[in-house]
Amino acid sequence: SQTIHQWPATLVQPVGSPLSLECTVEGTSNPNLYWYRQAAGRGLQLLFYSVGIGQISSEVPQNLSASRPQDRQFILSSKKLLLSDSGFYLCAWSEGNVNEQYFGPGTRLTVT
Amino acid sequence: GEDVEQSLFLSVREGDSSVINCTYTDSSSTYLYWYKQEPGAGLQLLTYIFSNMDMKQDQRLTVLLNKKDKHLSLRIADTQTGDSAIYFCAESADRDDKIIFGKGTRLHILP
Repeated sequence: SQTIHQWPATLVQPVGSPLSLECTVEGTSNPNLYWYRQAAGRGLQLLFYSVGIGQISSEVPQNLSASRPQDRQFILSSKKLLLSDSGFYLCAWSEGNVNEQYFGPGTRLTVT
Repeated sequence: GEDVEQSLFLSVREGDSSVINCTYTDSSSTYLYWYKQEPGAGLQLLTYIFSNMDMKQDQRLTVLLNKKDKHLSLRIADTQTGDSAIYFCAESADRDDKIIFGKGTRLHILP
């Protein structure tokens, strides 16, 4: 069966520090991968999605970036965090031709 | 652009039915979803419906779609304390298209 992991579960970082959040999927090949941010009162916002290794599409301009170094690994990064980057970050995957998405447990990021 | 709207809060007594409503603007929406998010956890796909369907039932869950009014609802029969969560309505135009989410409805269960 497929599973999706995210770490860390919680993170407190100062403004201006770098960020690296990792997501890995097991039990499937060539999944579509997604990064979402859930901010208080703002619902769920799609940040990046990837249909294959090295293929990243960005949905909103921001100081975040994403990379997919391996088929089942998706990384969300920032060189310098802003206060507005605080939120709950969710990784999700879907099969190549089906849009049902399955979400990881999330990472709660607090930028101080 | 595409938009999905839903009320932010709903309070229901334990044992009653909960009805969570959602409206969307994209007339080309083909897939409509309901996700559940329990406190501190990721989203879980509850159910989805194709736009050529009016209703889908799965145990205590009933999804109703009014395509003319672009209105989607989720009914939870015999609401229990374990149903306390945030429920997200979402839509996509195609299987390969991105999913647009609403802001979520927080369901609170009263004893």
